[in-house]
Amino acid sequence: RKEVEQDPGPFNVPEGATVAFNCTYSNSASQSFFWYRQDCRKEPKLLMSVYSSGNEDGRFTAQLNRASQYISLLIRDSKLSDSATYLCVVNDRGSTLGRLYFGRGTQLTVWP
Amino acid sequence: DAMVIQNPRYQVTQFGKPVTLSCSQTLNHNVMYWYQQKSSQAPKLLFHYYDKDFNNEADTPDNFQSRRPNTSFCFLDIRSPGLGDAAMYLCATSTSTVGSGGKWNEQFFGPGTRLTVL
Repeated sequence: RKEVEQDPGPFNVPEGATVAFNCTYSNSASQSFFWYRQDCRKEPKLLMSVYSSGNEDGRFTAQLNRASQYISLLIRDSKLSDSATYLCVVNDRGSTLGRLYFGRGTQLTVWP
Repeated sequence: DAMVIQNPRYQVTQFGKPVTLSCSQTLNHNVMYWYQQKSSQAPKLLFHYYDKDFNNEADTPDNFQSRRPNTSFCFLDIRSPGLGDAAMYLCATSTSTVGSGGKWNEQFFGPGTRLTVL
């Protein structure tokens, strides 16, 4: 069983659309949760951390449901520049080093 | 700007010919990681250094070795590259302490080295 599972997509949406990505994780003791963005042939970059109460950063909203071990990312008013792969990332609480487990990513294409 | 630098960005090697990939950082982070990422797959952790302490993942092949001569530099050595080792190799750094709110600090990634094996 994989530590972090995501729907790989691809998601193809028009500009201005709202799109949601989901992710599940297997380790109930996981401590920290992140969404990273990875552009084609580039390195992953932190998009946002995910907090228990949910958090919002402009057009992006992240939610965490610990009971269901489920994380979501909502993108409102999609822009062409949002086209990328979105990686769900979970920290392993058992490690003192903040070992990260990556989902394989959900690919998003926003078209004009 | 503080950053993670990887050299070279693109590396071509021949089957079986040793190759070394380089990573340096100006963030003064004490933890450094090497990941392998193949197309449409998640980054796979190969090993990491906690200061000078080397930690190998159980499924990392013996063909992969690493050196960290000082805080700033870390190297990935592939002793005998096979065709299956062609991938993007990502270096990342982080601090080992828990950040504000009890959250682990993020990992900062370098731009990666894309390895081609002929």
